[in-house]
Amino acid sequence: GEDVEQSLFLSVREGDSSVINCTYTDSSSTYLYWYKQEPGAGLQLLTYIFSNMDMKQDQRLTVLLNKKDKHLSLRIADTQTGDSAIYFCAETSAANRKLIWGLGTSLAVNP
Amino acid sequence: EAGVVQSPRYKIIEKKQPVAFWCNPISGHNTLYWYRQNLGQGPELLIRYENEEAVDDSQLPKDRFSAERLKGVDSTLKIQPAELGDSAVYLCASSLVLESTEAFFGQGTRLTVV
Repeated sequence: GEDVEQSLFLSVREGDSSVINCTYTDSSSTYLYWYKQEPGAGLQLLTYIFSNMDMKQDQRLTVLLNKKDKHLSLRIADTQTGDSAIYFCAETSAANRKLIWGLGTSLAVNP
Repeated sequence: EAGVVQSPRYKIIEKKQPVAFWCNPISGHNTLYWYRQNLGQGPELLIRYENEEAVDDSQLPKDRFSAERLKGVDSTLKIQPAELGDSAVYLCASSLVLESTEAFFGQGTRLTVV
């Protein structure tokens, strides 16, 4: 079945760049997403990328997609303490239109 | 514009008791989702509605869980009777159409079964 994997933890210093990585198995993925979840809060869509793109930039966020390797990354430039949260990678396919989620990467930003 | 509203935010019940969660999606959103999120896990889809029709309830434990979306707007999710393993955060989300690129999530209801 479909699977999405992420590393569980990432720690960076304030002002550095953060790179969160994700791999997926579904070759028919149509959209890939990055969601942010702060403590006690719901999930907030940060950005998404269509599978025929290889890069998308939105202010401090850069998403890179390597479809051949089924690898997705989220780069946060100039990471701030307010970026501390859990980041979920998710994908959906045209086949079943279900969101398949990773376990989330907990980002800790140290002053 | 108001987001997805869920209530209650927190609920503590004893095992074998019933519990219900309520969700008010964003106005005009046809698709509504209920997810369960265990600690340290990603969300797990329980049921997905297109208007008032449940189009995917394959992951809903139907022996104790039920859901309804009367009139295709608000939705309730019920557990009866609750078990210790049901402790989790229950998230509601809505999107404009089923193939929408964005689902908006509520803040969730944190259920603790003791």
